[in-house]
Amino acid sequence: ETGVTQTPRHLVMGMTNKKSLKCEQHLGHNAMYWYKQSAKKPLELMFVYNFKEQTENNSVPSRFSPECPNSSHLFLHLHTLQPEDSALYLCASSQAGLGYGYTFGSGTRLTVV
Amino acid sequence: GQNIDQPTEMTATEGAIVQINCTYQTSGFNGLFWYQQHAGEAPTFLSYNVLDGLEEKGRFSSFLSRSKGYSYLLLKELQMKDSASYLCAVRGEGATNKLIFGTGTLLAVQP
Repeated sequence: ETGVTQTPRHLVMGMTNKKSLKCEQHLGHNAMYWYKQSAKKPLELMFVYNFKEQTENNSVPSRFSPECPNSSHLFLHLHTLQPEDSALYLCASSQAGLGYGYTFGSGTRLTVV
Repeated sequence: GQNIDQPTEMTATEGAIVQINCTYQTSGFNGLFWYQQHAGEAPTFLSYNVLDGLEEKGRFSSFLSRSKGYSYLLLKELQMKDSASYLCAVRGEGATNKLIFGTGTLLAVQP
């Protein structure tokens, strides 16, 4: 499989649950990103990883915990979320450095009940 | 602060031409991207501008004026499948490769 794959596509979780989102890229990229997409709002950058190292945390609440075990995999661990965290969570990858665009996954539609 | 503005919604007719504008105010500038996103799908790359001028790619063209903080995406010979959101994104200052996105413009193409 090529491109950026995100699982699950849809997730419904209670506020006391713990779940994880997974992202995998088969493009040989060395930078990976998590974005949050809410209705009527711009994509919000959450985390950036370059060569497995976190280089950006955009003031994201600690109930979101990223993990990047290697350049091909990225996880977002979720716990004690709030209903306002319901959104589409998009993963993207790129080559590190300027001039390279992103390849996005199809996202995980998260609903917190 | 960082701000990227684009219209929220636009409507156009099949076969026509539409121009989607984007203005930006960012800390530094290292390139502007346009993405297309169909409902429920991943955003896909359309174009990249880092120097002033027009970049043409088939039915799609993108223009950049760095002095004005302005870009537009031009779609020609509109087709129904062009109905989607169009996202403008800017790479700001520094060595980071992060992109700052606008809210997106939802384009509806009508018969």
